[in-house]
Amino acid sequence: ETGVTQTPRHLVMGMTNKKSLKCEQHLGHNAMYWYKQSAKKPLELMFVYSLEERVENNSVPSRFSPECPNSSHLFLHLHTLQPEDSALYLCASSQVEREEETQYFGPGTRLLVL
Amino acid sequence: LAKTTQPISMDSYEGQEVNITCSHNNIATNDYITWYQQFPSQGPRFIIQGYKTKVTNEVASLFIPADRKSSTLSLPRVSLSDTAVYYCLVGDRGNDYKLSFGAGTTVTVRA
Repeated sequence: ETGVTQTPRHLVMGMTNKKSLKCEQHLGHNAMYWYKQSAKKPLELMFVYSLEERVENNSVPSRFSPECPNSSHLFLHLHTLQPEDSALYLCASSQVEREEETQYFGPGTRLLVL
Repeated sequence: LAKTTQPISMDSYEGQEVNITCSHNNIATNDYITWYQQFPSQGPRFIIQGYKTKVTNEVASLFIPADRKSSTLSLPRVSLSDTAVYYCLVGDRGNDYKLSFGAGTTVTVRA
């Protein structure tokens, strides 16, 4: 266990549904991340919350909406997704005061959009 | 943004040493080099990190030449459980968190 949990582990949704992915970190870190991992593609950084500041990848569609109510919890709200959004969504956390960047990943949510 | 290039796959046998080289020609002064291991349907797991020269821990060694344009992850005496995808990561938090994951190297260890 890495100290980062994600729920649900698997999700099947239609294109008109609205769902949310949840991530919780128990490491006392102050930064959290969402990544997308599609088959045979590099991990894609979607969003970062660090010290209450949000940094995002401008190529991420608006149908993905992150929320970070506190330093331990992170959500990814999904609405009107497309089949190409089917992927493994990974959450990670880190401690930003450290010079080196070491991220701890959760197990991921396997998303299938029908 | 330092792009990384790794071999797509590597095969090995139990007990052998596996060396995976990652190219990062455009690495910036403040960038660290980090390697992660990922098993199917799991999140990546941190293996080792370095800035220059050589770093060693209980699972691997990381060799970084003086120009830092490449790095080599060395896995000593691999076992079947080392079969996984290995990612080379180069980045710096100061650069808007634009961390660059490589495409990953699938290492297959055979008996």
